[in-house]
Amino acid sequence: AQKVTQAQTEISVVEKEDVTLDCVYETRDTTYYLFWYKQPPSGELVFLIRRNSFDEQNEISGRYSWNFQKSTSSFNFTITASQVVDSAVYFCALSEANSGYSTLTFGKGTMLLVSP
Amino acid sequence: DAGVIQSPRHEVTEMGQEVTLRCKPISGHDYLFWYRQTMMRGLELLIYFNNNVPIDDSGMPEDRFSAKMPNASFSTLKIQPSEPRDSAVYFCASSPLYGQGAGDNEQFFGPGTRLTVL
Repeated sequence: AQKVTQAQTEISVVEKEDVTLDCVYETRDTTYYLFWYKQPPSGELVFLIRRNSFDEQNEISGRYSWNFQKSTSSFNFTITASQVVDSAVYFCALSEANSGYSTLTFGKGTMLLVSP
Repeated sequence: DAGVIQSPRHEVTEMGQEVTLRCKPISGHDYLFWYRQTMMRGLELLIYFNNNVPIDDSGMPEDRFSAKMPNASFSTLKIQPSEPRDSAVYFCASSPLYGQGAGDNEQFFGPGTRLTVL
């Protein structure tokens, strides 16, 4: 069975600090997808990134970057120069793609608090 | 596009009452998902539909829960009778099909319905 672990329940940083959110996953499949979602205080989940298991290139989008390492089954998310607006709960999720019935399994989430 | 629309945004009801949550997915999306979020259990998938057909309802907690999708633009999640432990935020999400499985693609979430059962 697939599993996603976000060991950090809550992280507090001061604005402009860099912060990394950890995500470790378990799967027996060779083909799978990894996701990050953001849930701001307003409550709606917002898609951030989708990465398939065959693409281990790191990705950067503005202040956001993602480090995918199959060797350690990790898909970590770094925010550079954090801002107060980054305060949210961040979820890592996994989907196994070897069947037509794959669904998303979410981690428990990491609450990020960025103070001014 | 307006995104996924859910109603009501907040619902307060008394134990034993019937509750109906509504969702309008993004037009053209093939999949519709219902999730429940609680502090204890996190985000749980309850049921999902593909082209209006229920595919996997193994996450539905009990027979008190039922979901329907009569057409491509509307779905309901019904709880009858409701209990205090059903209090949670219920999310509807939709996604297009460009992978092999329902979970392969980015899902677009609605704002959620916060349900409180007294």
